[in-house]
Amino acid sequence: DVKVTQSSRYLVKRTGEKVFLECVQDMDHENMFWYRQDPGLGLRLIYFSYDVKMKEKGDIPEGYSVSREKKERFSLILESASTNQTSMYLCASMDRQSFSYEQYFGPGTRLTVT
Amino acid sequence: SQQGEEDPQALSIQEGENATMNCSYKTSINNLQWYRQNSGRGLVHLILIRSNEREKHSGRLRVTLDTSKKSSSLLITASRAADTASYFCATQLYGGSQGNLIFGKGTKLSVKP
Repeated sequence: DVKVTQSSRYLVKRTGEKVFLECVQDMDHENMFWYRQDPGLGLRLIYFSYDVKMKEKGDIPEGYSVSREKKERFSLILESASTNQTSMYLCASMDRQSFSYEQYFGPGTRLTVT
Repeated sequence: SQQGEEDPQALSIQEGENATMNCSYKTSINNLQWYRQNSGRGLVHLILIRSNEREKHSGRLRVTLDTSKKSSSLLITASRAADTASYFCATQLYGGSQGNLIFGKGTKLSVKP
């Protein structure tokens, strides 16, 4: 079974802190994604990566950056956390070669910025 | 960006009844997928239907796709309390690269024992 893990289930940070959210997948998937989920807004794509060191902006990249130094790991960075970044953050991976186009999700990190 | 919209936003039924959720989208797609999310957890893929398919079954799930109306429906038959979750449709746009999906806002299903 594909496993996608995220470093924390719950995280509380202060305004202005630099925050790192880590995601690791164990199935050698090329593509990885970061979403945020807010009530009434569904899932919105922040950034995605289709290869090591490659990254592309999604729909709401402002205030975020990402890093993919190894194939299995995709990190989301909040350079200076703000209260409007309080949200559920979901990581996903996908095997682009399989053409199944199924995304595998981690359990999510609920981030609160105070 | 364009987005799928589920309908209804919330649905409450009794165990054993069927649950139907609908999804509409705006642009041409390669495929449409349905995901389930249990409260506070990650999403789990349920079923994928390609743009050249009209109906697909998986266990108690039946998905239909009408590309002329740009709509899809998910039917869960003989529902169980364990089906209580939020259900999302996600579209992969025609010509879209890298497998990106656009998710709807979800239907919250409550199945009462």
